[in-house]
Amino acid sequence: KNEVEQSPQNLTAQEGEFITINCSYSVGISALHWLQQHPGGGIVSLFMLSSGKKKHGRLIATINIQEKHSSLHITASHPRDSAVYICAALHSNSGYALNFGKGTSLLVTP
Amino acid sequence: GAVVSQHPSRVICKSGTSVKIECRSLDFQATTMFWYRQFPKQSLMLMATSNEGSKATYEQGVEKDKFLINHASLTLSTLTVTSAHPEDSSFYICSARDYDGSPYNEQFFGPGTRLTVL
Repeated sequence: KNEVEQSPQNLTAQEGEFITINCSYSVGISALHWLQQHPGGGIVSLFMLSSGKKKHGRLIATINIQEKHSSLHITASHPRDSAVYICAALHSNSGYALNFGKGTSLLVTP
Repeated sequence: GAVVSQHPSRVICKSGTSVKIECRSLDFQATTMFWYRQFPKQSLMLMATSNEGSKATYEQGVEKDKFLINHASLTLSTLTVTSAHPEDSSFYICSARDYDGSPYNEQFFGPGTRLTVL
C-alpha cells in the first residue's frame, strides 16, 4: 500500500500570503491528484500530474518523481481558498483507485 | 471538467432499512466508478471499485453483502446500504473515470451523500 503523507495538517494564513502544502508518498506512482474539499463535503479535482509542474490561476502544483514529493502552492491567498486540500496517489497495482492523504485544512483570514 | 452527480445528497433513515445511492456521469462514459466513505475528520477510504458490466471489487473489510454495488451502464453506478445501522452513518462519495483507453485518466468526484442512520 502506498502511504501518502501530507504536511502541514492544519494551516492558517492571512489573505495575500503564499501558501505551500506538501505531499510525499512511499512507492512509485502513475500520477498524483490534488483535490479540494469544501466544508459541504464536495470534492473538486484541482490537478492530476505525473511529472513537472502545472498551473491554473493562482494554483501551482509540482511533482518530483525521484524524490516522491509533490507540492501545491497558492499565490495571493484569499478567504475563499479556505478548504481541505488532499493529495491522492494513483498507482497501477491498486486497480487505478486513489490512495488519499489525510488532508491539509487551510484557513485564510481576511 | 466532467460532471458527476450523486443522489440523494442527504438521507436520514431508520436502523434496519436499506438506502440506495446513485452516482451518474452526466457528460461522459465511465467504465470505472469508485465508491469511497469518509468519516468526520478522516480521509476518504476506498470501499469498492465498480466496473461496468462486471462485479465490483471490494476492499478488505468492506462487506459485499452489506454494501451492494451495481454498475449497470456506462453512466450509472448504485450503492445500496442494506440493513443500515447507526455505524454506517457516514459521507459516501463516488468518483468516475472517463474512458478513452487510458487507465490514467483523471477521476471526477460526485458531491457526496451524507447518510444518517437513526
